[in-house]
Amino acid sequence: DSGVTQTPKHLITATGQRVTLRCSPRSGDLSVYWYQQSLDQGLQFLIQYYNGEERAKGNILERFSAQQFPDLHSELNLSSLELGDSALYFCASSSRGTAGNEKLFFGSGTQLSVL
Amino acid sequence: GIQVEQSPPDLILQEGANSTLRCNFSDSVNNLQWFHQNPWGQLINLFYIPSGTKQNGRLSATTVATERYSLLYISSSQTTDSGVYFCAVSGNTGGFKTIFGAGTRLFVKA
Repeated sequence: DSGVTQTPKHLITATGQRVTLRCSPRSGDLSVYWYQQSLDQGLQFLIQYYNGEERAKGNILERFSAQQFPDLHSELNLSSLELGDSALYFCASSSRGTAGNEKLFFGSGTQLSVL
Repeated sequence: GIQVEQSPPDLILQEGANSTLRCNFSDSVNNLQWFHQNPWGQLINLFYIPSGTKQNGRLSATTVATERYSLLYISSSQTTDSGVYFCAVSGNTGGFKTIFGAGTRLFVKA
């Protein structure tokens, strides 16, 4: 168990809908990262938050947004969902947020299916 | 940004065999990690190894940063080693984002 908690584990929804994925980092970790894993794109970095502030942005669509709350949990909001958004969404955490210099610990992921 | 290439893309081993997985990267890095994604999808951090050599049981890893590659060695493979092995790097190029390679899919036969 990595200590990173993601909910829900599975999510099935329809095109055009909006969903929220939740992540609680390891105790003491200040930084949260979101990744999308699809069959054709592999593991893609979406966005990173450090202590409530956006730290780095990757290949995140405008329909997607995220935030990190004062208690350090994070939510990833996906809206106007399309079939191609179906993927496994991972959250990871690290202690300081200098991802270039520390280990990442991943949650078990949320499997999103858009029908 | 940094490009990461892993080889081979697929590998089938008989239980007990040894293997070497390779990760090449296109630019200097200050972080390199190896992950194992098991058949249930969980990503497990195996090594944090920006340079040098580390060992953990039957697994070991070596990173030669000056030559821009890293190797993951699996000895006496077991069926539980099956899954996908990812190399992930970050560096000055790309703002320290951690970039993953496409992975090596390993299947160990009993």
